[in-house]
This record gives sequence, structure tokens and C-alpha cells, in this order.
Amino acid sequence: AQRVTQPEKLLSVFKGAPVELKCNYSYSGSPELFWYVQYSRQRLQLLLRHISRESIKGFTADLNKGETSFHLKKPFAQEEDSAMYYCATLFGNEKLTFGTGTRLTIIP
Amino acid sequence: DTGVSQDPRHKITKRGQNVTFRCDPISEHNRLYWYRQTLGQGPEFLTYFQNEAQLEKSRLLSDRFSAERPKGSFSTLEIQRTEQGDSAMYLCASSSSAQNYGYTFGSGTRLTVV
Repeated sequence: AQRVTQPEKLLSVFKGAPVELKCNYSYSGSPELFWYVQYSRQRLQLLLRHISRESIKGFTADLNKGETSFHLKKPFAQEEDSAMYYCATLFGNEKLTFGTGTRLTIIP
Repeated sequence: DTGVSQDPRHKITKRGQNVTFRCDPISEHNRLYWYRQTLGQGPEFLTYFQNEAQLEKSRLLSDRFSAERPKGSFSTLEIQRTEQGDSAMYLCASSSSAQNYGYTFGSGTRLTVV
């Protein structure tokens, strides 16, 4: 079964410092990986997907198949990045499986 | 089209009562998903539909839970004889099976069973 692990429940980073949110998945195959974000009082929304190799709001994520990881990174944290972040996998065009999430707090 | 809509936003009910939630997906999306989220957890899959067909149900979905999508558009999730453990945020999402652009989520229905 698919499993997504986000080892950090909470992460605090100073404004301007680099951010890395960890995500590991356990799956034999080629899943699609996503990062979703939930800002305070807002709905869950897609941040980025690995297949598009895009950078959204300065965030990037590289799929490392050898380490089965999909860590989310940003070189310089901003206060508006404070939110809940969820890593998710999708295999075979079926349902998304989410990690437990990491609450990121940017310290001014 | 304003995205995925869920109704109601909040529901407080007494233990043992039945509740029904509604989800209106994005009109061109043929897939519709129900998830449940409790404090400190990520969304957990409950069930999903492709058009009007219910293709998968999680083991989390006990016999007290039933979901329908009769015309392949909106969906309802009913919980019968609610229990305190049913208290959670119930999320609906939709997507297109033709594209893997991820899901679009609704704002959720927060259920509190007292």
C-alpha cells in the first residue's frame, strides 16, 4: 500500500532562512507526487506537482527515486509561507494518499 | 463555476442522529472524492466516484456511512446513527480522470457530534 511519511509535525524557520519540508514515500512503482498547502482559514490547495517541474511561490520539489523522497524547498522563507503543508502521492490515476502534514511557522 | 462547494460548512448533531452532507464538484470534473480529516492528521480517503459509479470505498467507511452521486454531478454523504468518533472535517474534492492535475478541494463540512 502507498504510504507517505512527513517526519516533522512542526517546523519553525526564521524569515529569510532556507526551508526544507521532508516527505518520503513507500511505493514500488512510479507514483505522482504532489504538495498541497492549507493557509489559515482556507481550503486545501495544490502547491505543486513533480511532473510539471514548476516553481510556485518560490517553492520547488525534486523527486528522488533512489531515496524515495520528495522534499519541498524554498531558499528564503517569507512570513506568508506559514501554513500547513501536505505531501501526497497518486498512483495509477487513482486516489491521493496524504501524509500527516507539517505545520510551518515563519518567525519574523 | 466557483470551484467545489460543500454544504453545510458546520454541523452540530446529537449522538444517534443522522446527518447528510452535500458536495457540488467542478462541472467538467468526472471524479468526486470524499475524505475525512481529524486533528493532527492528513486527509484520509473514504470513497470516490467516477461519474455516477462508486469505484472504491475505504475500510474506514463503516455500514453507517453511505455516499451517492446519482446523476454524476453532485454527491451526498450520509452518516446514520452518528457517534462521537465521527466528529471530523469531511472534505470533498473533484478531478478529471483525463488529466492528473491533482484534486480541487472544497472548504469542507465540520461535523461535531455531541
